[in-house]
Amino acid sequence: EIVLTQSPGTQSLSPGERATLSCRASQNVNSGYLAWYQHRPGQAPRLLIYGASSRATGIPDRFSGSGSGTDFTLTISRLEPEDFAVFYCQQYGSAPYTFGQGTKLEIK
Amino acid sequence: EVQLVQSGGDLVQPGGSLRLSCSASGFTFSDYALHWLRLAPGRGLQFVSSISANGVNTYYGDSVKGRFTISRDNSKNTLSLQMNSLRTEDTAVYYCVRRQNVAGVGQFFDSWGLGVTVTVSS
Repeated sequence: EIVLTQSPGTQSLSPGERATLSCRASQNVNSGYLAWYQHRPGQAPRLLIYGASSRATGIPDRFSGSGSGTDFTLTISRLEPEDFAVFYCQQYGSAPYTFGQGTKLEIK
Repeated sequence: EVQLVQSGGDLVQPGGSLRLSCSASGFTFSDYALHWLRLAPGRGLQFVSSISANGVNTYYGDSVKGRFTISRDNSKNTLSLQMNSLRTEDTAVYYCVRRQNVAGVGQFFDSWGLGVTVTVSS
């Protein structure tokens, strides 16, 4: 089973700043099959990125994903107030599909 | 617009049973595999069960195998999860999730329900 480790656990930033979230896999993620999800309290989780770097439909271009192999990054270029949430990475290249433990992005 | 409307969450005693439902709209239900995932405090997101688009193939996480049963009715656009012999460690928010399959980029979860809370406690 591939273990995904996200860092930091919590990140405190201000609107307008840049956020960089990391996801490290214990083994190579086949074909870059990695997704990122945003989860705001009381809402359904939302797909942001799939295939490590492809934005899902309707996702603003301030969200970008990068990486390959075992190291992946989600970048939010300029934080908007609605961006503060918990973010999860997930690999779907090898069964069982696994998630990271999440990074909480909070307002400073 | 894709919608996954969930129901059935409740407080139940250990050893009890519960049935979760997910009613779908906004897409061709019978074209998609569906999953149940859960989120428990301190344990992150976890795979519970999945079912193929035609309902023939089902899969379960090790922790629920033999206790939970996933099913779907493609004529009614509904997904269900029958949970028996519930344990305190099954306490979580349960999500109904659609799995998308895109050539070249694999299968990922593109639409989620709001989730329902299942609490197993005496």
